[in-house]
Amino acid sequence: GAVVSQHPSWVICKSGTSVKIECRSLDFQATTMFWYRQFPKQSLMLMATSNEGSKATYEQGVEKDKFLINHASLTLSTLTVTSAHPEDSSFYICSASYMGWGNEQFFGPGTRLTVL
Amino acid sequence: DQQVKQNSPSLSVQEGRISILNCDYTNSMFDYFLWYKKYPAEGPTFLISISSIKDKNEDGRFTVFLNKSAKHLSLHIVPSQPGDSAVYFCAAKRNSGNTPLVFGKGTRLSVIA
Repeated sequence: GAVVSQHPSWVICKSGTSVKIECRSLDFQATTMFWYRQFPKQSLMLMATSNEGSKATYEQGVEKDKFLINHASLTLSTLTVTSAHPEDSSFYICSASYMGWGNEQFFGPGTRLTVL
Repeated sequence: DQQVKQNSPSLSVQEGRISILNCDYTNSMFDYFLWYKKYPAEGPTFLISISSIKDKNEDGRFTVFLNKSAKHLSLHIVPSQPGDSAVYFCAAKRNSGNTPLVFGKGTRLSVIA
């Protein structure tokens, strides 16, 4: 159990376009979802924390107008990279947790974004 | 400021021997620690965790040790197998509900047959 999926797994887009990444909890209801970004040979850096039905909380240095996060249901959160630029190219990973499970977080497989 | 540090970017171990991966943290508010295993282009998978009220937790071949006074934890894998070859991330959080994880930079483990 506790499966988290992400779609798409790989996306290439032109500079200036917007890209939407979906994160779904397939077999549980995720009260909280987290979005991370990982650059090559770097750690996973938290971008934002999203609770269902409320606005996301962004980490310092992450532009909320550029990285739009929506968590409209207990099984789906989306991250939209608006007006993507080459420096946004990265590996984006979501994780999901359920309040009653305490500290468990389950990660999606990640989305590789390449902006040309 | 790196709150969770994994100072060894890579480690090579012979099959059958023990692998020891180290992690240090600076934030004394952290009270729950986790180890994740990650393959390229995949999300991390949970391995083992430990609460700050314990100093050891064991699960099969994996054991995590916590030294709170030194703000240090380690993951022991014994015996090491070729399938253990991956990047291992240490993560820490406050043990209060859905708080986010803070990750180290990872250690790439190579188990040589």
